Amino acid sequence: EADIYQTPRYLVIGTGKKITLECSQTMGHDKMYWYQQDPGMELHLIHYSYGVNSTEKGDLSSESTVSRIRTEHFPLTLESARPSHTSQYLCASSETSGGAYNEQFFGPGTRLTVL
Amino acid sequence: AQRVTQPEKLLSVFKGAPVELKCNYSYSGSPELFWYVQYSRQRLQLLLRHISRESIKGFTADLNKGETSFHLKKPFAQEEDSAMYYCALFSGGYNKLIFGAGTRLAVHP
Repeated sequence: EADIYQTPRYLVIGTGKKITLECSQTMGHDKMYWYQQDPGMELHLIHYSYGVNSTEKGDLSSESTVSRIRTEHFPLTLESARPSHTSQYLCASSETSGGAYNEQFFGPGTRLTVL
Repeated sequence: AQRVTQPEKLLSVFKGAPVELKCNYSYSGSPELFWYVQYSRQRLQLLLRHISRESIKGFTADLNKGETSFHLKKPFAQEEDSAMYYCALFSGGYNKLIFGAGTRLAVHP
């Protein structure tokens, strides 16, 4: 079934740990995105990718990094987690066609808490 | 600057009452706007887009360029409409969306 998967759904971790948030999609989409959302605030785009070996930073500066080695996989890594990284992280994907908007489909999110 | 503003964090109404979720935008070009919804324990999903001019689950939204608004309306709220609603602006480029902070709609029996 075509879907977007994120693991883990919840993560509580100590300061200084390295973490990787997983995102995979079976939608066959080229474009993928990572959003960060603090409680009661806007979703902010932190990374996006047009396809394999293509990654770009979004509007909100983030200390996280991403990679896109396979079309369906777009993991996000924090080398050294800090309490300021506590947030919800949403992964999304979309098709690529022309200049019009292509609907972004969202994963269930990962809620990260750094103690 | 491109911006989406949703002035209400929470909108609380009774079942059967009309609902209007406000959204204002700032955009220099011709805007394309959307409403996304997130029901409890579900993921964020597209509710409607202004170019479709359709009614989804009884909701409609009209783009008012003069007032730079895209308010979401429903004449008679249902309890199952309770959710977080996000207004979003398509900013072109890499399929970029700019989101508002969201409004929580609570419909009481």
